Amino acid sequence: DAGITQSPRHKVTETGTPVTLRCHQTENHRYMYWYRQDPGHGLRLIHYSYGVKDTDKGEVSDGYSVSRSKTEDFLLTLESATSSQTSVYFCAISDRGLAKDTQYFGPGTRLTVL
Amino acid sequence: AQTVTQSQPEMSVQEAETVTLSCTYDTSESNYYLFWYKQPPSRQMILVIRQEAYKQQNATENRFSVNFQKAAKSFSLKISDSQLGDTAMYFCASLISGTYKYIFGTGTRLKVLA
Repeated sequence: DAGITQSPRHKVTETGTPVTLRCHQTENHRYMYWYRQDPGHGLRLIHYSYGVKDTDKGEVSDGYSVSRSKTEDFLLTLESATSSQTSVYFCAISDRGLAKDTQYFGPGTRLTVL
Repeated sequence: AQTVTQSQPEMSVQEAETVTLSCTYDTSESNYYLFWYKQPPSRQMILVIRQEAYKQQNATENRFSVNFQKAAKSFSLKISDSQLGDTAMYFCASLISGTYKYIFGTGTRLKVLA
């Protein structure tokens, strides 16, 4: 299994509060991604990173920001959490070498916004 | 626009039987990858199999194989000798070569019956 951890694994928060989710990898992969998973939608890309301090938006980026100051860490921040952001969040990593663009996923974080 | 469609929300199969999960996709690109991921109740996303579009030969991984029909833009997953541990949500995904963005289908929930 790829060395990817996410923290926290579960979080309950209130509307309007900021929340930061952390993804940590030990694979030294260049590319990192944040997805959200909701029933009926599969996985949807929020933001991705193609290197330290290099990030870009995915299809559902509104209300989210990211930062990557080190290769191994990719942070997802909900600036002011809303109930519509209740979801399961997955981090993924990939590389362009032998892995040939295959993404490997972390264990997920279940976030509930009350 | 790139799309992935899984038209079977739920399926069931008897243990030791064979089942096929359907996936169709749409892209105007010629160079892309296709994937099947498994998500058991533990929520971990696990790569089952991947197919490179330029390869005509269907990918196989033990009991898992695909039927890749490029002209029809179809990418079905066949599970042979189904086991109780195959019970999971299965997601089909596509990736255009040279891009970072996976597109996921909405998933098929498979239940293997004893």
